[in-house]
Amino acid sequence: GENVEQHPSTLSVQEGDSAVIKCTYSDSASNYFPWYKQELGKGPQLIIDIRSNVGEKKDQRIAVTLNKTAKHFSLHITETQPEDSAVYFCAATPPYNFNKFYFGSGTKLNVKP
Amino acid sequence: GAVVSQHPSWVICKSGTSVKIECRSLDFQATTMFWYRQFPKQSLMLMATSNEGSKATYEQGVEKDKFLINHASLTLSTLTVTSAHPEDSSFYICSARDPGGYNEQFFGPGTRLTVL
Repeated sequence: GENVEQHPSTLSVQEGDSAVIKCTYSDSASNYFPWYKQELGKGPQLIIDIRSNVGEKKDQRIAVTLNKTAKHFSLHITETQPEDSAVYFCAATPPYNFNKFYFGSGTKLNVKP
Repeated sequence: GAVVSQHPSWVICKSGTSVKIECRSLDFQATTMFWYRQFPKQSLMLMATSNEGSKATYEQGVEKDKFLINHASLTLSTLTVTSAHPEDSSFYICSARDPGGYNEQFFGPGTRLTVL
């Protein structure tokens, strides 16, 4: 089955700086890659996603890039703010098992004011 | 956006009792809902997938008789933890797929279960 690895496990940045979180996946058939933000004690919130037919997607300060050849995708947050502090999870899902999201292990982002 | 609610948000129960957690899709009809379990500082672990009107599909290693799932309508799925024990204490989160979308899963706020 699919295996997703996520790095780094923790990331500290200064307010205003950019943050990048990277994920690699093993199954080249995977075609949907969502990113979730989870604040302490809350459920994950979908913040952006990308399908395999595009290489990049942007939504205000958040962007995701996908490299299908290398089988990795990344979350980019620009102009970070303290409210961006949370745990971020990436996921991948293959079309033959689209019910199953294979999650990364999570990245705890700390934005220092 | 798609909103999913859960009730209760937290529950404390005695060992041996059963606890029911409700998951509702508020602004869309979800033919498929999912139940996850999350341990502290860990990722999400899929427990089961439920489809409206049919039996849930459980992941390997998840006890069907311990975690009863019922998806009786297009907006409601329930998870019942039967004969709960302290090791069942965890954060339980449901999600729902909006059939009008691509493959997005929208998560509820989670339920913190503590078994004494």
